[in-house]
Amino acid sequence: AQKVTQAQTEISVVEKEDVTLDCVYETRDTTYYLFWYKQPPSGELVFLIRRNSFDEQNEISGRYSWNFQKSTSSFNFTITASQVVDSAVYFCALSMEYGNKLVFGAGTILRVKS
Amino acid sequence: EPEVTQTPSHQVTQMGQEVILRCVPISNHLYFYWYRQILGQKVEFLVSFYNNEISEKSEIFDDQFSVERPDGSNFTLKIRSTKLEDSAMYFCASSDRAKGEKLFFGSGTQLSVL
Repeated sequence: AQKVTQAQTEISVVEKEDVTLDCVYETRDTTYYLFWYKQPPSGELVFLIRRNSFDEQNEISGRYSWNFQKSTSSFNFTITASQVVDSAVYFCALSMEYGNKLVFGAGTILRVKS
Repeated sequence: EPEVTQTPSHQVTQMGQEVILRCVPISNHLYFYWYRQILGQKVEFLVSFYNNEISEKSEIFDDQFSVERPDGSNFTLKIRSTKLEDSAMYFCASSDRAKGEKLFFGSGTQLSVL
């Protein structure tokens, strides 16, 4: 069975601090896809990144970076120099080789205070 | 960027009533999904739909639920006889490929069953 665990229920940081959101996944598939979505207070789900299981390169996009490590089944997300606008719920998700059904983690609430 | 549109944004209904949640997926997408999020909980997969057929459905998607693509643009979720526990945010999503593809989510319909 597939499972995504986000152990951090809620994180509070002060603006400009760096913050890392953890994600650990379980799957028996050799081909799979990992995602991060952001859910701001307005409620929509905003796509941030997709990674396939064969691409372990870390990625940086502005203040965002992702660290994918198959050896530990983790796909962690770091926000550098956090801003108040980063306050949201962040979901890690997994989809399998066939189909686009997403299995979501429970989400991490990030609160960035000014 | 193209958007998935959902209407209404809020729906209040009495227990036992039928509701239809409407979605307009991105125009060139072929794969459609419904997810739900009970307040404070994770986002859960309900159903995927392709070529006028259900591709996959979860245990949540029982006989009280149905989906339809009545024309070339709309994708609907019907709940025949709503229960209190159906109260949730319902998200429609679409994608243009079958696997490993990011999903574009709508802003959601908040369903409240009284």
